[in-house]
Amino acid sequence: GDSVTQMEGPVTLSEEAFLTINCTYTATGYPSLFWYVQYPGEGLQLLLKATKADDKGSNKGFEATYRKETTSFHLEKGSVQVSDSAVYFCALPPVSGGYNKLIFGAGTRLAVHP
Amino acid sequence: DTGVSQDPRHKITKRGQNVTFRCDPISEHNRLYWYRQTLGQGPEFLTYFQNEAQLEKSRLLSDRFSAERPKGSFSTLEIQRTEQGDSAMYLCASSTDRLSTEAFFGQGTRLTVV
Repeated sequence: GDSVTQMEGPVTLSEEAFLTINCTYTATGYPSLFWYVQYPGEGLQLLLKATKADDKGSNKGFEATYRKETTSFHLEKGSVQVSDSAVYFCALPPVSGGYNKLIFGAGTRLAVHP
Repeated sequence: DTGVSQDPRHKITKRGQNVTFRCDPISEHNRLYWYRQTLGQGPEFLTYFQNEAQLEKSRLLSDRFSAERPKGSFSTLEIQRTEQGDSAMYLCASSTDRLSTEAFFGQGTRLTVV
């Protein structure tokens, strides 16, 4: 079945460091891909998305490119801030089934220190 | 539009008691989802409504769990005879019915069974 695999955390970085969080997926078709972020004590917020191969989603300095050839959607940010400390989830809707049931990765916790 | 609203935010209950959570989706969204999230894990799908019809239930949703969405508006999730293993964050999300569209999440209800 469809699935998402994320790199295990936690990821600990100093402020202004470069961030990469890896995400790979298995799907029978070419779904949209999403990154959600969850700040402490909060629900999930959509961070960015890409709807087709080679699309680049971007928001708040974060970017992710939909790579069909490697079935990946890695999240990157050039210079992280303390306020980026959160848990990041890669997610995809199953192509089959005909309705939108998001499948999430296990999440990667990011801690950014001053 | 105030987004997806969940009530209560926190619930502490004794084992064996029944609890009910409420979710108010974004008003024009006809799809509504319930997810469960345990510590350190990604959200796990529980059930899904298209308007008032419950179209899918996960195997995670035991007989003690029931969800309703009367009139296709707000939804309730009831857990009967709670167990300590039910302790988790219960997330509600809503979306339109466009394929591969993102879901918008509420802030969740954190349940602690003591």
